[in-house]
This record gives sequence, C-alpha cells and structure tokens, in this order.
Amino acid sequence: GAVVSQHPSWVICKSGTSVKIECRSLDFQATTMFWYRQFPKQSLMLMATSNEGSKATYEQGVEKDKFLINHASLTLSTLTVTSAHPEDSSFYICSARAGGREKLFFGSGTQLSVL
Amino acid sequence: DAKTTQPNSMESNEEEPVHLPCNHSTISGTDYIHWYRQLPSQGPEYVIHGLTSNVNNRMASLAIAEDRKSSTLILHRATLRDAAVYYCISNSGGSNYKLTFGKGTLLTVNP
Repeated sequence: GAVVSQHPSWVICKSGTSVKIECRSLDFQATTMFWYRQFPKQSLMLMATSNEGSKATYEQGVEKDKFLINHASLTLSTLTVTSAHPEDSSFYICSARAGGREKLFFGSGTQLSVL
Repeated sequence: DAKTTQPNSMESNEEEPVHLPCNHSTISGTDYIHWYRQLPSQGPEYVIHGLTSNVNNRMASLAIAEDRKSSTLILHRATLRDAAVYYCISNSGGSNYKLTFGKGTLLTVNP
C-alpha cells in the first residue's frame, strides 16, 4: 500500500524557536496534502490543505503566519511552526491524497514539545 | 459534509465479530462514508469507504443502510490489534475533498 513518511517522530524545542516537520509520499504523487493537529485525548483537527505548487488553504482560527506550509513538489510538504510556544505542543499529523482517489494515507505523526 | 454520530466507546471479545455503528442522517446523495482508525500515538489508518453499496475488503465490511442515514463497520473477528479509535466520516469528495474527524468510537478488545 501507499506509504507516507513523516519526520521527525518527535521533537523537543525551546520556546521561540522554529520547528520544521516533513511529510513525504514515498510511492505515489500526492496532489493534495493535509495537516492535522491532535491534543491529548482529543480528535484530529484539520489545520490546512495544500495543493502542489499553490498556497495552502488554512482552516478558520489557524494562523497562517505561524504555521507555514510549503508543498513544493508532488511528494513533499513541510509544516514549519514558527516562534513555537508551549501551547503549540501537540501531535502533528500529515496526510496525502493521490489524485482522484477517495482515501487518505497518513504519516505516523510528530510529537512536538515546546519547553 | 454530513455530521456523524458514533458511540463514545464499545467493547468486544477477541475473535468475536464487532459491529460499530454510525449515524449520518443529514448525508447528501454525493457524500461518501469513510472509516479510519487510529492506534495510540500513531496516525490514522484507512479502513474502508463506500457510497451506496455494501463494501468488503481484507480489513472489514461496510454495511450501508438503504436510506444511507446510517452505516455499520463490521470487523469479522476482532483481534487485540484492532483496539483503536474508529472514526466514521462523511464528505462530499471531489475537488472539495477533506476529512473532518469527529470524536470516534474507542474500541476495546478483551482477550
């Protein structure tokens, strides 16, 4: 089956620093990628949708200047959490969709802890 | 996208069938029904999806009511590895494709 690789699996950073999370589709071209955030014991919350070569579409309430998304190729999307603060600590999950297919493939997630 | 309603939790015994219900009474004619599951500290995993007809794959079966206002995910023989949160999602597909997750059903499988 299709594989989505997300890196790193976990990261600890100091408050005020920026963190980049990578999401790669290993064996298919992802026309659309999605970024989710999940707090403990809660469901996934969609943050943004990105299509290759165009600007990401952010969900209401998600700061686009704080969560920078780049989808420069059909196999790579990155999420950069800029000037991270402790309240940004969360489990971040990416997913990818191959064109025309009705299912999503998810990465294994990145646990971000901001001290 | 149609709102879905699922029980918060369910319990099953190993090697017995499990029927996970989902209500989506406001579903429209073009909305798909998707099921994903999430194990602790992992990203969700696709289980199955359908539109009108019942669907089977190696993981599960999806039974869709004739009026499409509800559906049931069927795990034919539960194993301990099936313990997870199961999400039922309905969306319109196509160019507006995105999946909005609800709270899901936490399935516990007893040995």
